[in-house]
Amino acid sequence: KAGVTQTPRYLIKTRGQQVTLSCSPISGHRSVSWYQQTPGQGLQFLFEYFSETQRNKGNFPGRFSGRQFSNSRSEMNVSTLELGDSALYLCASRVANTGELFFGEGSRLTVL
Amino acid sequence: GQQLNQSPQSMFIQEGEDVSMNCTSSSIFNTWLWYKQDPGEGPVLLIALYKAGELTSNGRLTAQFGITRKDSFLNISASIPSDVGIYFCAEYSGGGADGLTFGKGTHLIIQP
Repeated sequence: KAGVTQTPRYLIKTRGQQVTLSCSPISGHRSVSWYQQTPGQGLQFLFEYFSETQRNKGNFPGRFSGRQFSNSRSEMNVSTLELGDSALYLCASRVANTGELFFGEGSRLTVL
Repeated sequence: GQQLNQSPQSMFIQEGEDVSMNCTSSSIFNTWLWYKQDPGEGPVLLIALYKAGELTSNGRLTAQFGITRKDSFLNISASIPSDVGIYFCAEYSGGGADGLTFGKGTHLIIQP
């Protein structure tokens, strides 16, 4: 069974630009979550999607948004990039309402 | 919001030594989880704990859900080089719509 796939793995943007990251969950997993990982703040929950609906959202500004498609694939978008948005963005999928997440390898975003 | 206090922040040990790390919280949780992250990878679930007092093993790893439901520990016996990485505790409150809250991680370094 293929794992969680995230693209792109690495990207460099400049301040003010926007970025879209993609995540394909494990087949059969309908829940997709996004996390931001930075050295200072650690792993922080961004949002979760289930059946194309956002179920919960972490404490991030509105510049961070996401969506989920009917095939459970998800995208997250960050608009008007700031230097502080440089981070590893991790996508995770799960089967049911448990804490047992399966993470992708992440998309490392550098904002210059 | 909820905060998890994970310690130690880093550990420098010799191969073959046993390792112990723990996590505490001011809140009561339904699920404690332990993840490991290797460089360039996403976190991987090691052990999930669902009941207060539960003790669970996964090979050389043993984790326990504290009886007060506010703490958990992870032990690694007879460490080997591939144990190097960052270990995260996480809590899941349940309800189906919450993200996980992660500790800041314990960075395990094994000296030859």
